[in-house]
Amino acid sequence: QQQVKQSPQSLIVQKGGISIINCAYENTAFDYFPWYQQFPGKGPALLIAIRPDVSEKKEGRFTISFNKSAKQFSLHIMDSQPGDSATYFCAARYNFNKFYFGSGTKLNVKP
Amino acid sequence: DTAVSQTPKYLVTQMGNDKSIKCEQNLGHDTMYWYKQDSKKFLKIMFSYNNKELIINETVPNRFSPKSPDKAHLNLHINSLELGDSAVYFCASGPSGYEQYFGPGTRLTVT
Repeated sequence: QQQVKQSPQSLIVQKGGISIINCAYENTAFDYFPWYQQFPGKGPALLIAIRPDVSEKKEGRFTISFNKSAKQFSLHIMDSQPGDSATYFCAARYNFNKFYFGSGTKLNVKP
Repeated sequence: DTAVSQTPKYLVTQMGNDKSIKCEQNLGHDTMYWYKQDSKKFLKIMFSYNNKELIINETVPNRFSPKSPDKAHLNLHINSLELGDSAVYFCASGPSGYEQYFGPGTRLTVT
């Protein structure tokens, strides 16, 4: 079964809008939650990451919100740009080195 | 100056053949990984090595054998290739347990 559930599968946002991608998990042993961005034909690249003792982390236009009690976390992309069009993956770390990835969200930012 | 490199980028082969994918990282990381990304973009960890020692071996058929000759290299050998092995294989490296740096991927097509 999938350890990290990600939604939506695809997302269309107008330029300047806010993109929101959600992830949920069940295993409370997960202790580190990164987000990756993948462009077609490329490998995933780390975007931003958070630990469960922090409720929010912001880096530029990208923000992770983390709700430990609900076992949910989300990525917000403010002022979305066409260059942000990519597939985004959430992930969760277990036992120091094992990472489980969500199923990915394909984001299309319309000019 | 490529951080994580993989060769070849494309691999087309017939069922039953044996093939290898090579991975090298020049980031000085202790940990290296192999991931499989299927046609639906789902990323699944296969193996992880820390300082040449195998630390994660997911439920991968034993036709897949990783080999780490040194800390900077992690190769993947696949015996008796099957149609279901067709996927993009990503190598990654990282400081133990944190961000991962992915290679460009190897697209394997088994006919």
